[in-house]
This record gives sequence, structure tokens and C-alpha cells, in this order.
Amino acid sequence: ETGVTQTPRHLVMGMTNKKSLKCEQHLGHNAMYWYKQSAKKPLELMFVYSLEERVENNSVPSRFSPECPNSSHLFLHLHTLQPEDSALYLCASSQQARGGTEAFFGQGTRLTVV
Amino acid sequence: QQQVKQSPQSLIVQKGGISIINCAYENTAFDYFPWYQQFPGKGPALLIAIRPDVSEKKEGRFTISFNKSAKQFSLHIMDSQPGDSATYFCAASGRGSTLGRLYFGRGTQLTVWP
Repeated sequence: ETGVTQTPRHLVMGMTNKKSLKCEQHLGHNAMYWYKQSAKKPLELMFVYSLEERVENNSVPSRFSPECPNSSHLFLHLHTLQPEDSALYLCASSQQARGGTEAFFGQGTRLTVV
Repeated sequence: QQQVKQSPQSLIVQKGGISIINCAYENTAFDYFPWYQQFPGKGPALLIAIRPDVSEKKEGRFTISFNKSAKQFSLHIMDSQPGDSATYFCAASGRGSTLGRLYFGRGTQLTVWP
């Protein structure tokens, strides 16, 4: 059991549906991240939140909408997705530091868009 | 632009052999180099990490070798076991990267035959 919990673990949704992915971290960290992991592609950073403020958005389509209500919770709201959005979505958290620091990942949500 | 380049893409090793995965980076501001291990259906988990003030770090059967001048680092798995079969990602972060965000290599799928 990791300190980062993601729900649901699996999600199948139609292209017209609206759904949300949830992430909760129990590590007292102050930064949270959404990553997308597709087959045969490197891990893609989507969003970075620091102290509940979004500090990075890597040109992610607007059909992905993040929300960070507090430092322990992170959501990814999904709407009108495309089949190519099918992937493993990973949440991670870390403690900000002046230099690099490790990130802790959740188990991920396996998303299938039909 | 791929900030961290990883090779090989896949690796097959006999049980008891040595597995070696290599990574190279460009950004001299990076000061933290972790390796993550990912099993199918799981999120990446930190395996071992190194900072550039040392050239080698060993934890059990896992060793990171770091060459600062060449901007390269590698993971060595001694006495490889079937349970080591997983995907391994190198990563880098540090000053200049947003709040400790990690730049990942593309991953190496390791298979250890019994």
C-alpha cells in the first residue's frame, strides 16, 4: 500500500461521458502531479500543483481539467475524451525542495475510452 | 525534446546474470537521479537514487554508477532474478526544473529467464 491512493483503478467511458479521477496523498507533501502513461511512450507530465496552485500545464487539451482543493487531494475531470486518450493515468506527490527530490506514485487509473 | 535518454528499450538476461541499463542527460542543472521500477498494473516505485556528489551508490543487488563529466548514469542489477522482471525508468530533476518535476527516460523492459 503506497502513500498515494488513486480511484478508480479502472474506468471505461464513452466519448460523450464526464468522469473524474481522484488522487489522495497521505505523505504530507506539498506538490502533486498528473502523469499520462501510454504504451511505448515515455511518461508524460500533464499538470503540476504546488500548494494547491497549478504551476505547470504541459499543453494538455482542455478536455482534461485538473482540480486541487487542498494539498492532499487532486482530481482530473474528464469530458468528451477521444480514444487516443486511453492510457494509464498516474498521480504522484513530492515534497518541494531546492534541488530534485523523489516522487511517490499511486497505482494509477487505467482509462479506456470507447 | 527528450531530456533523458535511456537504453536499451528491452533487455533479456539469464537468472544470475548482470542487467545493465544506461541513461544520459543534457541539463547540467539536474542534481537528482532516481531509478523507478514498475510492475504491470502498478505505479512506478522508487528503487534507488543518486546525487552527483558521489560516483556510485549500492543498495543490495542494485547499483547506480554516475559519470558527471559524461552526463551519464547507469543501473546495474547483480544476480538478476525472475522477480526483477519489470520496466525500469531512469529520471532526473533538480534546479531549474519546476518544483522537483522528474524528467523520465522511455523505460527498459527487463525480462529475467529462470
